[in-house]
Amino acid sequence: GAGVSQSPSNKVTEKGKDVELRCDPISGHTALYWYRQSLGQGLEFLIYFQGNSAPDKSGLPSDRFSAERTGGSVSTLTIQRTQQEDSAVYLCASSWTINYEQYFGPGTRLTVT
Amino acid sequence: AQTVTQSQPEMSVQEAETVTLSCTYDTSESNYYLFWYKQPPSRQMILVIRQEAYKQQNATENRFSVNFQKAAKSFSLKISDSQLGDTAMYFCAFMKSPGGTSYGKLTFGQGTILTVHP
Repeated sequence: GAGVSQSPSNKVTEKGKDVELRCDPISGHTALYWYRQSLGQGLEFLIYFQGNSAPDKSGLPSDRFSAERTGGSVSTLTIQRTQQEDSAVYLCASSWTINYEQYFGPGTRLTVT
Repeated sequence: AQTVTQSQPEMSVQEAETVTLSCTYDTSESNYYLFWYKQPPSRQMILVIRQEAYKQQNATENRFSVNFQKAAKSFSLKISDSQLGDTAMYFCAFMKSPGGTSYGKLTFGQGTILTVHP
């Protein structure tokens, strides 16, 4: 079956612009996670969804970051007024439920110029 | 808070040989899961193996096995009969068991770059 997909694969944006990153989880997976991978910080957790609700937003680095999930499926991570330090690979993962293995998408590489 | 440490930034091994990647972690939790993920140059993170902390038996998946030492908080990955396709970045990761607000969150180590030479 289809795995986790993310779009776009790569995104170059100018500092100060808003960007939206999309994640399509594996069909039937109720839990969805966003992580960020950068050279300086390694892999860090951003937010997770159980269904459409996000019980843990503790990893979002600032109020410029937000995420939503609709219909228990697709999720969008939005970064407003992008900064150069936002440059990273943003990874999405999904799992059957919260304590199952997470399956990752190929990521979106974001470059802020 | 949990921390995961991988002390080997880079490792190399000859094809068909065995290599062991190290991982230590720090937690006050008694129930948790540990994982090894592989990230090849394609960027796709792939689950290699999973270990539940309550299980004493070490997990194995074909050529991959772990040495889980709960008291020492150590979780190493052994790759037998290394293949060129094993070349990748390997991440050790920790997850609390369900409960509270942090379950499901993976905490990763810094990663180990493994190169398999022909």
